[in-house]
Amino acid sequence: GAGVSQSPSNKVTEKGKDVELRCDPISGHTALYWYRQSLGQGLEFLIYFQGNSAPDKSGLPSDRFSAERTGGSVSTLTIQRTQQEDSAVYLCASNTAGTGEQFFGPGTRLTVL
Amino acid sequence: GNSVTQMEGPVTLSEEAFLTINCTYTATGYPSLFWYVQYPGEGLQLLLKATKADDKGSNKGFEATYRKETTSFHLEKGSVQVSDSAVYFCALSDSSSASKIIFGSGTRLSIRP
Repeated sequence: GAGVSQSPSNKVTEKGKDVELRCDPISGHTALYWYRQSLGQGLEFLIYFQGNSAPDKSGLPSDRFSAERTGGSVSTLTIQRTQQEDSAVYLCASNTAGTGEQFFGPGTRLTVL
Repeated sequence: GNSVTQMEGPVTLSEEAFLTINCTYTATGYPSLFWYVQYPGEGLQLLLKATKADDKGSNKGFEATYRKETTSFHLEKGSVQVSDSAVYFCALSDSSSASKIIFGSGTRLSIRP
């Protein structure tokens, strides 16, 4: 079946602009995660959605970052007033809660000029 | 808090060499442990996992044993191939949130023919 998809695959924006990144999880997966992978760095947890529960936002680096998940499926990560340090690959993953393994999308490469 | 520390790269080996990538962790409770792999141009995928002490995860010739006494989960392979060239991430599940995963910084492995 279809895996996790993300769009766009690449995004170049100017400093100060807002961007929206989209994630389509695997159908039926109740949990959805966003991570950030900066050059040469590991994966930094950003936010986690599980069903109808309040999301775990503990990883969001600043109030410029927000995310929502509509209808328990598609998620959008929004970065307002982008800064150069926001340049990274943003990864989305999904799974059925409690199974451990997460299934990752191909990522969105964000470049802030 | 929970954390994962893994061997810094890059690691360069010749084909058929023995591979070890060290990983140690700090965690409360009883996390599950994972190795994820990111091949060039591809998304992250689970390589192997272990859910309790003394479990051995294995896949594609790779192995890792969950060692609670040394808080380690080292990745090994007896004879590497060029196709094993990738970035490897050690990770653990956050015991306070069964599905949240904490990743190490990644180790880039390059295999010379």
